[in-house]
Amino acid sequence: DADVTQTPRNRITKTGKRIMLECSQTKGHDRMYWYRQDPGLGLRLIYYSFDVKDINKGEISDGYSVSRQAQAKFSLSLESAIPNQTALYFCATSIKSVSGGDTEAFFGQGTRLTVV
Amino acid sequence: GIQVEQSPPDLILQEGANSTLRCNFSDSVNNLQWFHQNPWGQLINLFYIPSGTKQNGRLSATTVATERYSLLYISSSQTTDSGVYFCAVENSGGSNYKLTFGKGTLLTVNP
Repeated sequence: DADVTQTPRNRITKTGKRIMLECSQTKGHDRMYWYRQDPGLGLRLIYYSFDVKDINKGEISDGYSVSRQAQAKFSLSLESAIPNQTALYFCATSIKSVSGGDTEAFFGQGTRLTVV
Repeated sequence: GIQVEQSPPDLILQEGANSTLRCNFSDSVNNLQWFHQNPWGQLINLFYIPSGTKQNGRLSATTVATERYSLLYISSSQTTDSGVYFCAVENSGGSNYKLTFGKGTLLTVNP
């Protein structure tokens, strides 16, 4: 089984619908992240969380919200989906390094979301 | 924020050929990773290499942090090496603790 699991793997939804993407991890990492990938743009950070009580906006948080239900679970919500949120979404985990930054990050399998 | 540039953007090889992919970054880093995104979209960790040299089978990587670049070497390429290779860095001077990704190198290995 994967250490970082995302559900669903694929989803098609209609404009205006609320949708939740879920992420769970078995690595015991305290830091969790949601990234979005668009063609030709690489991955960009949406939200990140350093522990259950710590939630931070990334560079493209508008239109998204998150919930850290437990150390192992971090969900991403689109309150009212729009077509330009069609993308590949990745959850990632890491732990704090001695220097205070991150050690190696591990990514889930990705969720391919299409908003029609 | 930190800038990450990867080159070349596209690369086509015949099976068995060797290649070098480059990642330049604009500031000091305390984390650098190389990923392979396969045709199914999965991101596979290749190397965690903020400095020095590592090898894993036919792949190796070198990061020269003082000169702000990293290289990924692929030897005796195989068709299964096809996909996009990403370099991602964490800026040591920043407070975001996030990975900044380059735009990737699209590698196609033909049989």
